[in-house]
Formats: sequence, structure tokens, C-alpha cells
Amino acid sequence: QKEVEQDPGPLSVPEGAIVSLNCTYSNSAFQYFMWYRQYSRKGPELLMYTYSSGNKEDGRFTAQVDKSSKYISLFIRDSQPSDSATYLCAMRANSGYALNFGKGTSLLVTP
Amino acid sequence: GAVVSQHPSRVICKSGTSVKIECRSLDFQATTMFWYRQFPKQSLMLMATSNEGSKATYEQGVEKDKFLINHASLTLSTLTVTSAHPEDSSFYICSALLGKDGNTIYFGEGSWLTVV
Repeated sequence: QKEVEQDPGPLSVPEGAIVSLNCTYSNSAFQYFMWYRQYSRKGPELLMYTYSSGNKEDGRFTAQVDKSSKYISLFIRDSQPSDSATYLCAMRANSGYALNFGKGTSLLVTP
Repeated sequence: GAVVSQHPSRVICKSGTSVKIECRSLDFQATTMFWYRQFPKQSLMLMATSNEGSKATYEQGVEKDKFLINHASLTLSTLTVTSAHPEDSSFYICSALLGKDGNTIYFGEGSWLTVV
């Protein structure tokens, strides 16, 4: 079993929809959770990070972490065609800085 | 904002030759950089952690002698793929750690390596 599981999609939604992206993980030592956006053939761009359980909001993006279920989510409100990209979840434990990535979910927002 | 520059963005080399990829932090000093490899539709796989002034720490299964990493300054880490083979063709991405909290990691644009 991989440490981080993420449905690769693709996920297609109409413009303006609320998008829900999710990851599950197996390592209970993970404490830091990040979401990255990656456009085709480019390096990942950090969107948000969250420590331990809880919610964090930044503009149209909301990150949620439920450590009891080992489940994290990223919500995108009022989705735009420019949000079309691959979204990668990443996480790490307290020790060390190396990140464990999910496979990424491909999102397409259609006008 | 902080930027990580990676060069070259694309490189084609012949089988058996060596290729060097550079990763630079442009706005900040990075004592720790990371090298990842990504196959199409796959996750980023950590290859090694590069620490300025010391030897890199390689992940299990990554050949140290094949993927040479040098972190000679606080703004530059290099990855050299030695004696490249077609199976080494991949997308290589570096990232640099900003600060010490471990939560702000910036990625380079990646380098596409094709070995023919």
C-alpha cells in the first residue's frame, strides 16, 4: 500500500462549480499537509499547507485535514478554467523535510 | 517572491553520455534542496536530499554513482546523470527549502531529459 493515495481522475467540472479534491494516507506520523498545483510540463506550485487537523482558507481555496480518518481535502470555490491543472497532495512527518506526494488529480474546468 | 531556477529545461543526450542539471535558488539561500523524478502520470518520487557542504542523502533504490549530486553553495545544487540510458529519460525536478520550518518548499520548473 502506498503511503499517500490520490485518485488521478480526470475530474471535469463546469466553470463556477465547487471542486473537491482528496487524499488518504496511511502513516499516522504525518503532521504537515500541503497542496500543490502543477501545470503541464512545469514544476509544482505550493498552494497551501496545514499543520495537523483543521481547516485553512485562502481566497477560493480551503484545505481540510482529518487526522483521525487520515483524510485530507482541498476545496476550490467558483472554479475557473485557469484552475485546470494537476493537483498534488503532499505530506511529511515532524522529522525531516522530505515530502511524500500523491499521484495528483487532473482537473479540467470547462467554460 | 522566492524563485527556484532549473536549467536546462529540456535536454537530449546520447546513451552513455553524462548530463548535468542545475538548480538555483534566486532570492534566498537554501541549505537544503531536494531532487525528484516524475514519470508521466505518476507522482514525484524523491531521489535525494542535498545539503550544502555535505554529502547528499539518497533514497533507497537510487544509485549514488549514477546520480551525482553536488551542493557546493547555498544557492546551487547540481544533479549529474552519468552514463545515461534510455530508461533514465524522465522529468527531473528540484526544490529548495526556504527557512527552517520545512513548510515552504519551492520547486523549479523541471528538466525533461531524453536519452536516445
